[in-house]
Amino acid sequence: AQTVTQSQPEMSVQEAETVTLSCTYDTSESNYYLFWYKQPPSRQMILVIRQEAYKQQNATENRFSVNFQKAAKSFSLKISDSQLGDTAMYFCAFMKHVVIGTSGSRLTFGEGTQLTVNP
Amino acid sequence: GAVVSQHPSRVICKSGTSVKIECRSLDFQATTMFWYRQFPKQSLMLMATSNEGSKATYEQGVEKDKFLINHASLTLSTLTVTSAHPEDSSFYICSARDRLRTGRYNEQFFGPGTRLTVL
Repeated sequence: AQTVTQSQPEMSVQEAETVTLSCTYDTSESNYYLFWYKQPPSRQMILVIRQEAYKQQNATENRFSVNFQKAAKSFSLKISDSQLGDTAMYFCAFMKHVVIGTSGSRLTFGEGTQLTVNP
Repeated sequence: GAVVSQHPSRVICKSGTSVKIECRSLDFQATTMFWYRQFPKQSLMLMATSNEGSKATYEQGVEKDKFLINHASLTLSTLTVTSAHPEDSSFYICSARDRLRTGRYNEQFFGPGTRLTVL
């Protein structure tokens, strides 16, 4: 079974600064995906960034980037130039690689980190 | 693309009544749907996985007779909370994926959630 751990229940950052959210996971799988989801006060889950385990290059999406350390099973999220709209609960999630046509794999979520961006 | 809707967004009911929540994929075939439950400031807890045309697979500890899931079409899944009680009050989120697609379409796309309050 997979586990995902987010050790920071709450974090805060000043607007325009950079913040890093931590995530570690445990798995015996060799091929998998890692995700960061954002859940703002509206509670809609929004995909922030996605990383395939077989890719060594860290994923980036505008102000969001990850530091993926496969051997250490670490997957941190860096938010640059933080904005007030980044205030949300952030969840790290793991999914096994699924073969096309199979019923597929569940997402395993971490406990979440509540990020507050202060003006 | 990849939009998932849920209806209703909020529902208040009396104890002992049944409530049905709908989850629809609007622009793709949801061959697999997932139902989650989320308590305030907590992570998402997977309740069940359903594949179109098949019976749902429930997670351990989830009462299948209380949380009835029907996934009769490629665009619609329903969750019925039968004989609801105050402890069933929670935020229910569905997600959907198309297991016949590759890449990003292999991901789960989330609905906006339904807040259930049982009086």
